[in-house]
Amino acid sequence: EVQLLESGGGLVQPGGSLRLSCAASGFTFSTYAMSWVRQAPGKGLEWVSGISDSGGNRDHADSVKGRFTISRDNSKNTLYLQMHSLRAEDTAVYWCTKGTTAYYSYYMDVWGKGTTVTVSS
Amino acid sequence: DIQMTQSPSTLSASVGDRVIITCRASQSISSWLAWYQQKPGKAPKILIYKASSLESGVPSRFSGSGSGTEFTLTISSLQPDDFATYYCQQYSSYWTFGQGTKVEIK
Repeated sequence: EVQLLESGGGLVQPGGSLRLSCAASGFTFSTYAMSWVRQAPGKGLEWVSGISDSGGNRDHADSVKGRFTISRDNSKNTLYLQMHSLRAEDTAVYWCTKGTTAYYSYYMDVWGKGTTVTVSS
Repeated sequence: DIQMTQSPSTLSASVGDRVIITCRASQSISSWLAWYQQKPGKAPKILIYKASSLESGVPSRFSGSGSGTEFTLTISSLQPDDFATYYCQQYSSYWTFGQGTKVEIK
């Protein structure tokens, strides 16, 4: 069974840092692009960051560019999202998602259960 | 950036109704469009990809159509399990979601 399991969410003060992890299983992790998608309370879905199968290509939404970094360790079947300079507007549920290709032109066919990040003093 | 606009934002319907949700892209995205269903407190679930292809395991009452900038999601006969929020998403240039359409019980 294909599974994605996020961890690392929690309460952090504005300006703080947090690292999310996503453990993947049930598929050949190293052959698919991966992304993080978030949803602020009561709001819609927002793509945050994406990374190619090898990790050689990464993209970030303008709202997080320069503050968040997506990475992956294919030897550990794990996706990461390093978040710095966190703001109240980063408060959201963050989902790890699997792409349907190695990079670009993919939709998200598998989603984790999500991890909640709360930025508040 | 490509913007996605869904209509309506909220839709009230009854079991058995035919439901149509529209999604418009700010520029042509060919057929690079997906539809997701989300229930409260849960992750979104893929329904349709490449505008009209049904994801494996999704009931055939769901269908998608369109290309370019205009797309629709149709539920042919609304079932109790279908009351949820639906999002379109373009994946032609990066990834952008519509604002969502909540389908509620009439």
